[in-house]
Amino acid sequence: EAGVAQSPRYKIIEKRQSVAFWCNPISGHATLYWYQQILGQGPKLLIQFQNNGVVDDSQLPKDRFSAERLKGVDSTLKIQPAKLEDSAVYLCASSSRSNIRDKAFFGQGTRLTVV
Amino acid sequence: AQSVAQPEDQVNVAEGNPLTVKCTYSVSGNPYLFWYVQYPNRGLQFLLKYITGDNLVKGSYGFEAEFNKSQTSFHLKKPSALVSDSALYFCAVRDTGGAAGNKLTFGGGTRVLVKP
Repeated sequence: EAGVAQSPRYKIIEKRQSVAFWCNPISGHATLYWYQQILGQGPKLLIQFQNNGVVDDSQLPKDRFSAERLKGVDSTLKIQPAKLEDSAVYLCASSSRSNIRDKAFFGQGTRLTVV
Repeated sequence: AQSVAQPEDQVNVAEGNPLTVKCTYSVSGNPYLFWYVQYPNRGLQFLLKYITGDNLVKGSYGFEAEFNKSQTSFHLKKPSALVSDSALYFCAVRDTGGAAGNKLTFGGGTRVLVKP
């Protein structure tokens, strides 16, 4: 089966600019996650969707980050305005159901550099 | 709140020697535990998981992990390490209790370096 697709792979922007990332999960996967992975750290969950509803966004900096999942399939994560500390790899993952036994499949990530 | 700790930032091992990567967790209910591996410029790849049953779980590429409820640990092991096992390893947990739902929480990662 096709994996989780993310684009772009790399993005360099200046601080205070805006940026958007796109994720296409594995077909049929109801749960979609966005993680932020800062260099040298483990992935931190930003937001989790179940179909097109938000399950958890407790660690999403809502003053600058937003995410949506239209029609319960593709998702976009936006940062506006970006700060230097937003430099990280943004990982999208999906799993097949709300069953918490299911493993998550990860995309290759988008590496964001804010200068 | 659920959490995962990986106490070692880096583990160095000679090729052919046994490899252990440590992980401890904290949850309010019962844990579902996972190990993932990350190679440079790649996404995370699933290695194995513990849900219920046998405390020794076998996974991909010859890796296994042992669940120890009393010590709240889930250490990753490989009897004979290969140079190609050099990568970043992440332990993760889902909490079956409380309001954590389906949230998957990761540890900080352990870099494994296998020397020839």
